[in-house]
Amino acid sequence: GAVVSQHPSWVICKSGTSVKIECRSLDFQATTMFWYRQFPKQSLMLMATSNEGSKATYEQGVEKDKFLINHASLTLSTLTVTSAHPEDSSFYICSASDGSGTDTQYFGPGTRLTVL
Amino acid sequence: AQSVAQPEDQVNVAEGNPLTVKCTYSVSGNPYLFWYVQYPNRGLQFLLKYITGDNLVKGSYGFEAEFNKSQTSFHLKKPSALVSDSALYFCAVRENNAGKSTFGDGTTLTVKP
Repeated sequence: GAVVSQHPSWVICKSGTSVKIECRSLDFQATTMFWYRQFPKQSLMLMATSNEGSKATYEQGVEKDKFLINHASLTLSTLTVTSAHPEDSSFYICSASDGSGTDTQYFGPGTRLTVL
Repeated sequence: AQSVAQPEDQVNVAEGNPLTVKCTYSVSGNPYLFWYVQYPNRGLQFLLKYITGDNLVKGSYGFEAEFNKSQTSFHLKKPSALVSDSALYFCAVRENNAGKSTFGDGTTLTVKP
């Protein structure tokens, strides 16, 4: 099946710093990538949908200036958490699809962010 | 608007017994339905999907799911559970080609030896 990678798998940072998370589709071209946030023992909360070469579409309540998303190529999307605070600590998961209509979302392994 | 419900937070079964994880959905058009499994501190792994065709869908690791339009359900099943099946399972629905899936709250499956 299709493989999606995320880097880093975990990161610890100080409050006020910015953190970039990369999401890559390794063996297919991802026209659409999704970024989710998952709290412990809870479901996935969709943060934004990004399409290659265009601005991301953010879900209601998600600050686009805080969670910067860039989908510069068909295999790479990045999420930058700017001026991170402890409440941003979470498990961030990306997924990618090839946009073929009946496509399946393939998920990355997730990134555990801890903000001190 | 689309929605999906997983009525059980937790399902416990004995190894070797059949298992069922329930999912019901609501969409205004034709549903695209998915099941995913998540192991601790990992991303979601795709198990199976229903788009059209045969109501019984077979997927990875011996799992299958049955699409029931009249009951708007898509329950996940396996004839004989393994301890290694213990994980968190998510059902998801997408309305046609809307591009955005809605996930259920997840069901924790525990298979005891």
